[in-house]
Amino acid sequence: DVVLTQTPPTLSATIGQSVSISCRSSQSLLDSDGDTYLNWLLQRPGQSPQLLIYSVSNLESGVPNRFSGSGSETDFTLKISGVEAEDLGVYYCMQATHAPYTFGAGTKLELK
Amino acid sequence: QVQLQQSGAELVKPGSSVKISCKASGYTFTSYDMHWIKQQPGNGLEWIGWIYPGNGNTKYNQKFNGKATLTADKSSSTAYMQLSSLTSEDSAVYFCAREITIAAPFAYWGQGTLVTVSS
Repeated sequence: DVVLTQTPPTLSATIGQSVSISCRSSQSLLDSDGDTYLNWLLQRPGQSPQLLIYSVSNLESGVPNRFSGSGSETDFTLKISGVEAEDLGVYYCMQATHAPYTFGAGTKLELK
Repeated sequence: QVQLQQSGAELVKPGSSVKISCKASGYTFTSYDMHWIKQQPGNGLEWIGWIYPGNGNTKYNQKFNGKATLTADKSSSTAYMQLSSLTSEDSAVYFCAREITIAAPFAYWGQGTLVTVSS
């Protein structure tokens, strides 16, 4: 199975600060169709996860553009440009290139 | 709007089975894969498998072969997951989630169903 390693496991930020989360894959996530199926999700406390970004850098509808994704092959990054209070929670990367689909262990974003 | 309404919390005994449901609305149920995901308390997320309600095709994470069985009822737009031979390791919140495309398999989520396995 593909292992996704997220760093850091915990991130402390102040409101307005920009932060980045790394996700490294044990295998290339470039699919034979040319797409790279790396997504980012946010799970706020007590809620279901929410899709933020799909295919590395595509912002899901309704997601603020302070969120951005980048990367290729095995190295990916989620950036939040100016953290807001509603951004607190656990961020997960997940891949849908290789079965079984797998998730990173999560990065908890908390207020400093 | 797309909504996925899951059944309520279950308290079940070890060795038994449980069937949880995910009622879909706001879209054509038979046109999109429905996925199931497991989240143990304090732990991350595990993909269990998907079902395509249009024809009943399924794909499972090998880890859940024999543990989970996915079905769908087109007449009621409801997806089901049955978990069998339950142990304490099956205590978790289970989510259904619908894709947008193959690139975004978990675009819409149910609220989750807590299954507690205890004697």
